[in-house]
Amino acid sequence: AQSVTQLDSHVSVSEGTPVLLRCNYSSSYSPSLFWYVQHPNKGLQLLLKYTSAATLVKGINGFEAEFKKSETSFHLTKPSAHMSDAAEYFCVVSPLVGYTGKLIFGQGTTLQVKP
Amino acid sequence: ETGVTQTPRHLVMGMTNKKSLKCEQHLGHNAMYWYKQSAKKPLELMFVYNFKEQTENNSVPSRFSPECPNSSHLFLHLHTLQPEDSALYLCASSQNRGGSSGGGELFFGEGSRLTVL
Repeated sequence: AQSVTQLDSHVSVSEGTPVLLRCNYSSSYSPSLFWYVQHPNKGLQLLLKYTSAATLVKGINGFEAEFKKSETSFHLTKPSAHMSDAAEYFCVVSPLVGYTGKLIFGQGTTLQVKP
Repeated sequence: ETGVTQTPRHLVMGMTNKKSLKCEQHLGHNAMYWYKQSAKKPLELMFVYNFKEQTENNSVPSRFSPECPNSSHLFLHLHTLQPEDSALYLCASSQNRGGSSGGGELFFGEGSRLTVL
């Protein structure tokens, strides 16, 4: 069975400081892992994905995430936060084998960026 | 034009009304999905269609009735809803390759905000 836990429901940073959004997963298979972002009144947009290639994955808008199998983690980072990064972030896991779209979404982390 | 378009963006309905949500994808994908997003809860998968065939019904009440006439269009017909059905309904599409080559990502529309009075 697969599950995903986002360790912080709310993260607040100052503009220009690093961002760390934490995600732990559980999967019986070699998983695919995703980070999505949702800005207010918008749909979800894919930030980046891991599908068993390089463990350090680079995404859009300067975000990256590192897959650590030993820690079952897939934390999202950005060196310097921008005001436009304020949004809801979702960590998502899916089984790589027999994928049928049954993604498991985390509860979400709200990122607040202070000027 | 975005890849996945949902209409209407906002809908207010009474419990005895009948309404429909529409989704259209312009990405040539073979799978479409309905998700429900309620406050303080994770996204809930409702229905999955692969090549127009429903392959997943996640124990959704019968007052929600999906329809997928072709691979590009998806509807969610609503009738006799309850106030707790108020939520953001998100449509998504993907290109599923199945088997051992999975890992396809979802492309979401902007959602239909439903309020049931």
